[in-house]
Amino acid sequence: AQSVTQLGSHVSVSEGALVLLRCNYSSSVPPYLFWYVQYPNQGLQLLLKYTSAATLVKGINGFEAEFKKSETSFHLTKPSAHMSDAAEYFCAVSEGGGADGLTFGKGTHLIIQP
Amino acid sequence: SQTIHQWPATLVQPVGSPLSLECTVEGTSNPNLYWYRQAAGRGLQLLFYSVGIGQISSEVPQNLSASRPQDRQFILSSKKLLLSDSGFYLCAWRDPGRVYGYTFGSGTRLTVV
Repeated sequence: AQSVTQLGSHVSVSEGALVLLRCNYSSSVPPYLFWYVQYPNQGLQLLLKYTSAATLVKGINGFEAEFKKSETSFHLTKPSAHMSDAAEYFCAVSEGGGADGLTFGKGTHLIIQP
Repeated sequence: SQTIHQWPATLVQPVGSPLSLECTVEGTSNPNLYWYRQAAGRGLQLLFYSVGIGQISSEVPQNLSASRPQDRQFILSSKKLLLSDSGFYLCAWRDPGRVYGYTFGSGTRLTVV
């Protein structure tokens, strides 16, 4: 069975500082991995996805993530935080073959300090 | 282009009342459809998914049920709401041929009082 662990339910960074949100996964097959962002009372917006092509994936809004198979990790980074990045971030995994949807982590609330 | 509609956006219901949340997808056919619930501190939990009309798979035993009466319509229901049913409900769809193409609706905030 697949699972996702996001370390840190809340992460606080200063505006302009590096953003690092951690995600580790467990999967019995090569996974598809995703990062989503959610603003208050809104749906999920896809930031980026890993689908077995390049291990360094670039997404929207300056975010990127690197797939590291040896560490079973897919951490999300952004070189310089902006106030508008304050939101909830979810890492998710899919084993691809079935119809049974994505498995999500519990989410990380990103706080940007001015 | 494909779009997903979910309504209502917010709902306040008394304990013991019925529930019906609706989700429709436009611009595609035979989508996989999903209902997720987001409760505080628990992330997103998959409740139901469907690969076709009348085909419903339940992931978690609960007070809720789902139905798919039409190809692009997915309904989440309850006969009697519990306080624990409060949360943010998200509908999503995926083209069965694209294993990574999930699209989410804007969600329904349900508060059971």
